Order: sequence, then structure tokens, then C-alpha cells
Amino acid sequence: NAGVTQTPKFRILKIGQSMTLQCTQDMNHNYMYWYRQDPGMGLKLIYYSVGAGITDKGEVPNGYNVSRSTTEDFPLRLELAAPSQTSVYFCASSVGAPYNEQFFGPGTRLTVL
Amino acid sequence: AQSVAQPEDQVNVAEGNPLTVKCTYSVSGNPYLFWYVQYPNRGLQFLLKYITGDNLVKGSYGFEAEFNKSQTSFHLKKPSALVSDSALYFCAVRNPRGGSQGNLIFGKGTKLSVKP
Repeated sequence: NAGVTQTPKFRILKIGQSMTLQCTQDMNHNYMYWYRQDPGMGLKLIYYSVGAGITDKGEVPNGYNVSRSTTEDFPLRLELAAPSQTSVYFCASSVGAPYNEQFFGPGTRLTVL
Repeated sequence: AQSVAQPEDQVNVAEGNPLTVKCTYSVSGNPYLFWYVQYPNRGLQFLLKYITGDNLVKGSYGFEAEFNKSQTSFHLKKPSALVSDSALYFCAVRNPRGGSQGNLIFGKGTKLSVKP
């Protein structure tokens, strides 16, 4: 069981470029999440998905898009990168009930210059 | 609005001493409460959770936490700290309601430093 995997580990983007952060889980979890972590700010939810074909906005969705075509994959798309999107991005997954813990990937460190 | 407060940015403890990392929350109804730990350059790892029942919950690596409804607190504790416990600790709360209200809300994190 690899758990939750994320690629790439690091990326530097120029302002206005686009990229996709990949996330895959092999635990057959129906719920998946994208968070961003800024220094001293904890984690903020960007988007989440309760199953294939269903996505919804979290607390900070502006500037991002997601899709969920399979149970395993939940990519996060940045269309026009801005310096404010410099952050560490974490993908997580869980079994559906709200009392279940989330499993996190190792993160992607993104810098936008 | 739901919120979580971790009042200490950093906690310093000598190895072998007890440790406490504080967390208070604000949420309507009976919350689900979680503690996660983050080691450098790693993702978050689940430590323990309170759902219902006994106010004292035990988790991984000898950690425990006590739910106090009247004080809306969920402090993380360990009787004897280890140097390897040094990490960033996050408290999180979840409203049992579904939808966006059921999303996990994280505190800002507390850095625990255990010195030999």
C-alpha cells in the first residue's frame, strides 16, 4: 500500500504559467481533498471530492480547478500561476464518514516567481 | 463560524518530562476533534481523535488527549516526552454535519521541541 502519493515534490513556476499537481491514492477511499499550507497559517481546504465525478469548493478555491474522473486520482490544476499561490500543497483521502481520519500525501512545494 | 485555536506557537520540554499542547475550539453542536503530527518535509500523520464517549482518548506513540466540553478544549498530552516527539502538531475540528460545514478546520499548529 503506497497510501497517498503526490507529484512533483518541488516545482518553480513563472507568473502566468499553468501546471497540474497530481494526487493518487490506493486505499479505495471515496473522499479526497486538496489543502494548502502557508507558514504559521495551518492548512486551508482548496477543493474536495466525495466520489468520482463529484467535486466541491473549500475555503480557498480561487485560482484552482479540480477533476475526479476515477476513485484513485484527484489532480489540482493551476491555470494562471500567481505569487500568492506559493505554498506547500497537500492531498489527502479518507473513508466517507466525517469522524474518519484523513491520510495525507508527502506534499508538493510550489514557488511562483 | 467554526474555528480552532492553538494558543502557543512553540512548546519547549525537557526529555522525560510531561508535555501538553493546548487546543480550544468553537463549533456548534458536538464536534469531532483530531490531532495530527507533521515531521519536517512530511505530510500530516493522524495521532488520535475524539468522537464520543470517554473524554480521555489514547492514540499513537503514547499520546493522549482530554476532551473538555465546558472549556471547549482538547489538549494533547504525553506523560514522558522523547526527543523524537519534536515536530509540528495540529489540532483540527469537524462539525458532524455533512457538506461544507463538515469540512476539517485546522489550527495554526504548535511546534514542539524536546531537548535531551
